[in-house]
Formats: sequence, C-alpha cells, structure tokens
Amino acid sequence: RKEVEQDPGPFNVPEGATVAFNCTYSNSASQSFFWYRQDCRKEPKLLMSVYSSGNEDGRFTAQLNRASQYISLLIRDSKLSDSATYLCVVNLYSGNTPLVFGKGTRLSVIA
Amino acid sequence: DVKVTQSSRYLVKRTGEKVFLECVQDMDHENMFWYRQDPGLGLRLIYFSYDVKMKEKGDIPEGYSVSREKKERFSLILESASTNQTSMYLCASSTLDRGFMDTQYFGPGTRLTVL
Repeated sequence: RKEVEQDPGPFNVPEGATVAFNCTYSNSASQSFFWYRQDCRKEPKLLMSVYSSGNEDGRFTAQLNRASQYISLLIRDSKLSDSATYLCVVNLYSGNTPLVFGKGTRLSVIA
Repeated sequence: DVKVTQSSRYLVKRTGEKVFLECVQDMDHENMFWYRQDPGLGLRLIYFSYDVKMKEKGDIPEGYSVSREKKERFSLILESASTNQTSMYLCASSTLDRGFMDTQYFGPGTRLTVL
C-alpha cells in the first residue's frame, strides 16, 4: 500500500452538488490527519484537521475511519470557489518526522 | 498569523549556476522544510531541519544542500543548477504538538526555471 493515496480525479461537479473524497493511509498507528487545499499556482493551505470523532466546518465535513485506515472529506453545496486540489496529509510515524502528503484530488465546480 | 516568506516568486537561472533559495518564518517554529512540486508528482520532500544547524535528507536530496544558521531562516542551495531542477519550490515550517509534527505552513513558493 502506498503511504498516502488519493484518487487524483478530476472530479467535475455542478454548483450545488455534494462531493466526497477519500484517502487511504498505510500505517495504522498514524496519529494526526489533515486536509489541505491548494489553488492553481499557489501554496497549500490548511483546510481542516481531522479528529477521531469527525469534525465539521460549515459545508465541509471530515471523518476518520481508523479500522479501514482512511479519511474522507465531504463538501456540501459546492461553490465555484471550491475548485482546487485537495491534499490529504497524514502524520504517519511517531516522533519528529515530517507529515506525508498525498498527491491531491482535483475538483472543478462548474456553473 | 503565521508567516512564511520566500526570497523570490520567480527565478530564471542558467545551467551550472549556483542558486540560493531563502525562506524565513516568523513563528519561532522548530521545524522547517523544503519541497519541490511538479505536475503529477505531488509534493516531494528535499530536506528538512528540526533545529538550528541540523538537517535531514528527505526523499530527493540529490543535487541540493541546505543551511540553517538561524532558527527563522532555512536556505536551499543548488550547487550547479540543471534543467531537471526546473520546478516550483515550496518552503514550510511547523512546530511540535505533544511530540508529533503539527500543521505545516507554507510560503508562497518560488518558480525556478533553469535554462
């Protein structure tokens, strides 16, 4: 299994649609999880951290499934401005080791 | 608000030139990172540093070196630039949270072209 794996997409969805991305990770002992957003030709920015109980921020919901080793991001009522690449990020190993980034899933929201 | 700045947004160099990319963070973070990002390959870690004068190789260190003389500054050096080092270079910093690496904050990136 690749360390952090995402479907690269692209996901092309109409405005107002609900879209979900999944990401799998290789180490069952991983401790922290994040979703980042990257706009074209810009730097990645933290979208939300993912907690064991799942968490919600407006139209965005992140969930963690430790048993199956995946995290998900759900976007409801998609806006044109949600068009971006979404990166799944996992702290795979203990101690002072870098976060591992997935290659990203590209989302295009169409009018 | 965390701020990570990079010395240049765009840079054009010639093959064989020595190239310095500078990164500064203002949040007193222990950890700093250099990545390159290419289409279809995602972010690839070149080097990181968890303390002043400390450095660790990432996944693709060949052809690069780094320097961290002060906590807030992390430099990436291309000793002899080659065309296959044309890329977007991203610097990041983070702190520790309960012994684990916390959220990484990125600079705006430097788009380097080597002719």
